[in-house]
Amino acid sequence: EVQLVESGGGLVQPGRSLRLSCAASGFTLDDYAMHWVRQAPGKGLEWVSGISFNSESIHYADSVKGRFTISRDNAKNSLYLQIHSLRTEDTAVYYCARGPYDVLIGGAFVVWGLGTMVTVSS
Amino acid sequence: QSALTQPASVSGSPGQSITISCTGTSSDVGGYNFVSWYQQHPGKAPKLMIYDVTKRPSGVSIRFSGSKSGSTASLTISGLQAEDEAAYYCNSYTSSITWVFGGGTKLTVL
Repeated sequence: EVQLVESGGGLVQPGRSLRLSCAASGFTLDDYAMHWVRQAPGKGLEWVSGISFNSESIHYADSVKGRFTISRDNAKNSLYLQIHSLRTEDTAVYYCARGPYDVLIGGAFVVWGLGTMVTVSS
Repeated sequence: QSALTQPASVSGSPGQSITISCTGTSSDVGGYNFVSWYQQHPGKAPKLMIYDVTKRPSGVSIRFSGSKSGSTASLTISGLQAEDEAAYYCNSYTSSITWVFGGGTKLTVL
């Protein structure tokens, strides 16, 4: 079964850092581009970042550029999101999602994890 | 990266058809056939319903269909059922190699 499982969320103070992980199973991670999408409580979906199969192409939403770093370890079938200088507005459920292609061009979010909740509060 | 524009809510009775619009620009919806639609029930992860404007993933009911005209995409749900009550989000690839979502539409089945 194709599955994505996020972890690493929790309650964090403003200004601290956090690393989220996404474990893939049921498919070969290095065949696909991957994404992070977040959803603030009671709000809509927001695309955060995407990374190509070989990490050569990486893009971010303007709202997180400079503070978020996406990475992957295909040997470990894992995707990561490093978040620095956390702000209260980063409070959200963070989902990892699989693209349909290996490259970071077009396509939809075909497979989704269940998400991990990040709460930024003092 | 302005969000795509969707109506906040739509409603319909069981058996009826509804259409949800999604308006963008020539840099996103109007420029690419990479529009997708997602269904999200409360407390659940989103589910892909339509991709590449008109295509349905395996397992998605034929009652769901997508289309596009210019910079406006649409999702139509025919034969409304109680289980269709959910939030629906459109999404498009953009010329900046980013993806942008619509604000979401809450579908109520009366």
